Amino acid sequence: QKEVEQDPGPLSVPEGAIVSLNCTYSNSAFQYFMWYRQYSRKGPELLMYTYSSGNKEDGRFTAQVDKSSKYISLFIRDSQPSDSATYLCAMSERAGSYQLTFGKGTKLSVIP
Amino acid sequence: KAGVTQTPRYLIKTRGQQVTLSCSPISGHRSVSWYQQTPGQGLQFLFEYFSETQRNKGNFPGRFSGRQFSNSRSEMNVSTLELGDSALYLCASSLGTSGGLSYEQYFGPGTRLTVT
Repeated sequence: QKEVEQDPGPLSVPEGAIVSLNCTYSNSAFQYFMWYRQYSRKGPELLMYTYSSGNKEDGRFTAQVDKSSKYISLFIRDSQPSDSATYLCAMSERAGSYQLTFGKGTKLSVIP
Repeated sequence: KAGVTQTPRYLIKTRGQQVTLSCSPISGHRSVSWYQQTPGQGLQFLFEYFSETQRNKGNFPGRFSGRQFSNSRSEMNVSTLELGDSALYLCASSLGTSGGLSYEQYFGPGTRLTVT
């Protein structure tokens, strides 16, 4: 079993829909949780990061962490065609660790 | 501020050859991490260099190696290439100093390596 599991999709939704992306993990030492977006032929770019269990909102994006269930989510409201990309969850054990463990990524297409 | 640059962007090599990839971090950043991205395994951590020293290493065979220069530029080398080494190789740059945070990494566009 991989340390981080993420449904690879692909996921196709109509413009304006609410998108839910999820990851589960098995390593209880993970404390820092990140979501990256990767466009085709580009490197990943950071979208959101969270530390504790709970919700964090940034514009149309909400990150949710449930450490008791070892489950994290990213919600995208009012999805736009420009949100079409691969979304990767990532985790680390320590604040200063650059050794991230990634999910395989979910490919999202938002249809106009 | 210029972002992370990686050269070359695309590379085709033959099984058994070796390859060197280059990464120039954001100005002022002293840490460079390397990742391998494949459809089957996703993004996997290779190693991290800080101030010319390898600080962390992932679970890859010894054919994968790297180094960092005094100007923080980094290279990674793969010797005796195998078909399974075909991947997108990404480097990420960060300040690397104490107090730095895991999410403060900035990725380059990657080098697409194809092994035939």
